[in-house]
Amino acid sequence: NAGVMQNPRHLVRRRGQEARLRCSPMKGHSHVYWYRQLPEEGLKFMVYLQKENIIDESGMPKERFSAEFPKEGPSILRIQQVVRGDSAAYFCASSPRTGEGYGYTFGSGTRLTVV
Amino acid sequence: SQQGEEDPQALSIQEGENATMNCSYKTSINNLQWYRQNSGRGLVHLILIRSNEREKHSGRLRVTLDTSKKSSSLLITASRAADTASYFCATDESGNTGKLIFGQGTTLQVKP
Repeated sequence: NAGVMQNPRHLVRRRGQEARLRCSPMKGHSHVYWYRQLPEEGLKFMVYLQKENIIDESGMPKERFSAEFPKEGPSILRIQQVVRGDSAAYFCASSPRTGEGYGYTFGSGTRLTVV
Repeated sequence: SQQGEEDPQALSIQEGENATMNCSYKTSINNLQWYRQNSGRGLVHLILIRSNEREKHSGRLRVTLDTSKKSSSLLITASRAADTASYFCATDESGNTGKLIFGQGTTLQVKP
């Protein structure tokens, strides 16, 4: 039973390019969450998705960032026209359901470097 | 705003000693969770304690929760070099949104 799979592990983009980060949740998990971790800081919530639905995007920057979780395939976090401040580690977590409080399974992250 | 504040920011101990990390938070919560992150890796869920629980154990881990003081502690007993990592507390306000608010973390170094 593979865990949460994220790819790529490392991504280098030049300023102005697009970054696409992928997350495949654990088998049987239909809830996906994206978090961002800046250097030397804790994780900050970005967005919560279920299949084909964005449930909570209160942590997403208003511009350039978007996320989707299609019926088939992985969840995608897309960052358009990247800037140096987007350099961070982006983590995806999944859970089978919400309610009653569950620990979340995190992927190993994608480390984005904008040069 | 940052919910959790962890104390200390860094901790260095000898193998075999106990390590205690503290976490404070600001709002009402449904549960509080502790995670471990090894350098350059993802987070591993360690333990979850619900707001109506006061203490929980898992192996060498002991977590306490004081909702009146809005604080939690993580105790690792008989530490090992492999426990070297960053430890984060995360609060879940509602228990049904998946939105965790993480503290800044405590970096633990266990010297062999």
